[in-house]
Formats: sequence, structure tokens, C-alpha cells
Amino acid sequence: AQRVTQPEKLLSVFKGAPVELKCNYSYSGSPELFWYVQYSRQRLQLLLRHISRESIKGFTADLNKGETSFHLKKPFAQEEDSAMYYCALSVKTSYDKVIFGPGTSLSVIP
Amino acid sequence: EPEVTQTPSHQVTQMGQEVILRCVPISNHLYFYWYRQILGQKVEFLVSFYNNEISEKSEIFDDQFSVERPDGSNFTLKIRSTKLEDSAMYFCASSVTSGEAFFGQGTRLTVV
Repeated sequence: AQRVTQPEKLLSVFKGAPVELKCNYSYSGSPELFWYVQYSRQRLQLLLRHISRESIKGFTADLNKGETSFHLKKPFAQEEDSAMYYCALSVKTSYDKVIFGPGTSLSVIP
Repeated sequence: EPEVTQTPSHQVTQMGQEVILRCVPISNHLYFYWYRQILGQKVEFLVSFYNNEISEKSEIFDDQFSVERPDGSNFTLKIRSTKLEDSAMYFCASSVTSGEAFFGQGTRLTVV
């Protein structure tokens, strides 16, 4: 079965501290993984995807197929990073759908 | 920058009433989706739509739900007879290719 898990519902870090938001997935096919972010009162927006291997707003994520993980990391947290973060898996059946993890609420303490 | 737009932003309806949530996807997108998020819970997939038909739906998307693309620009979600547990934030999304979905701002549905 396809599944995305994010073990931490809430994560609080101090400004300037490193951040790691954990994500694990279960999928028998070739995974395509994403991180979406939802700032307060704003829409869900794509933060980054593993195939592009880019860094957005200082965040990076590496797909580890052996551990079936796609953890999101940032070396120095900023207050504006406070938001809800969703790990997501694109499932290719005949068509496509995106399965979201339960989300982690990140709070950066000044 | 093109955006997915949803109307209304908030809809209050009485239990048992029909409700239609409207979405205008990004114009060159081919895949359309509805998701919902019950307060305090995760974003859940409802249905995907491609080439004028449902391509996949979840177990949540029962006979009370239907989707339509009536005029080539709008994409609607209809709930035939609303229940209290249908209260949630409903998100429309669209994409050109797989995975990278662009989301609307959501419609908050409150069933009383």
C-alpha cells in the first residue's frame, strides 16, 4: 500500500538551530517525492521535489531509497520558516495522484 | 503568475443540502484534483480527473460526491446531501504533469 508517514506532529526549534523534518514512505514503484508547505492562512505550495535536487529557502531533501526516507533539512532555522510541512508521494497508476503525509507543524522560536 | 482559484472561500450549509464548490484550474493544466482537510487532520485525496473523466477516487468519494468540468474552465465538486462530517477545507489542485500540483486557496465548508 502507498503511504507517507511523518512521525512528528509538532516540532519546535530555536532560531538559528538546525531543522530536520522526517518523512518515510511506502511504495512499491519508483517514488517521486515532494515537500509542500502551508504558511498561516495561505494555500499549500510546493517547496521542493526530489528529482530537481534543488535547495529552496535553504531547505534540502535527499531521497534515501534504502531507508525509504525523504527528510527535509535546513542548517539554520528562521522565524519565517514556521509553517505546516507536508511530505507527499506521487503515485503513478493509470494516472497520477499525490498522497500526503499527516504533516509536521514547525515552530521556530525567536 | 497563474493561480488556481476557488470560490467561495467559505460556505455554510444546512445538513442535507446540496453544495457545489467551484474551482478554476490553471489554463494549460490537464489533471485536476480535489482534496479535503478536516480541521486538525491531514490533507486527504478525494478524486483526480483527466480527459473529462474521473481517473481515480478514494474511498471517501462515495455516491454523495460528484465532479464536473462543465465548460472547459471550471472544475466543480458537488456534495449531494451534506453531512456534519463533510465539514472541512476543500482544496482544488491542477497539474500539467505528474506530481507537481498547484493548489487553490481552499473553500472552508461548514455543515450545520
